[in-house]
Amino acid sequence: AQTVTQSQPEMSVQEAETVTLSCTYDTSESDYYLFWYKQPPSRQMILVIRQEAYKQQNATENRFSVNFQKAAKSFSLKISDSQLGDAAMYFCACQNNDMRFGAGTRLTVKP
Amino acid sequence: DAGVIQSPRHEVTEMGQEVTLRCKPISGHNSLFWYRQTMMRGLELLIYFNNNVPIDDSGMPEDRFSAKMPNASFSTLKIQPSEPRDSAVYFCASSAGTSGRIQETQYFGPGTRLLVL
Repeated sequence: AQTVTQSQPEMSVQEAETVTLSCTYDTSESDYYLFWYKQPPSRQMILVIRQEAYKQQNATENRFSVNFQKAAKSFSLKISDSQLGDAAMYFCACQNNDMRFGAGTRLTVKP
Repeated sequence: DAGVIQSPRHEVTEMGQEVTLRCKPISGHNSLFWYRQTMMRGLELLIYFNNNVPIDDSGMPEDRFSAKMPNASFSTLKIQPSEPRDSAVYFCASSAGTSGRIQETQYFGPGTRLLVL
């Protein structure tokens, strides 16, 4: 089974600035998927972005982009032009016949 | 689309009581997942179904937990008897996976916050 590590329990960013959340994973599979989910105080799990391991191009969704380094098994999330509504817990996940989540990073956005 | 629907949203019960959590997946999705989220253990996959058939229940903590999916639009997670350590947020998610492999993006319900006294 895969493992996912988020080494930053908490991060803080100034509104309108850019922040990068780190994630590393370990899997023996060659075909897998990586995700970032956002969990605001409402507890709802919201999909932020998805990356297929076989794709070299980094996924992008508006202000959210990833830096996928397959050889290093790294999958960081960059949030540009941070907004107050981005404040939440962010979970990295690896999926292949199983779904493993990291412990999460709590992002605070300062006005 | 209404998204994944879970009920109840909150449940408070006493130790020893039976608890039933319900989930309605997104219409057309044929994979359904149950997760538990606690501070100590984070998000854990308990069980998942594909085409109403349980594929992997290795995450179910013990025999007190059981899950069923009698049809494509409904699933239950039952705890009997419940214990205080079962207190957690339980999420249901669904995806459009067409095989027993987890490949497609999962969409989560709002969760059920369970408190066992």
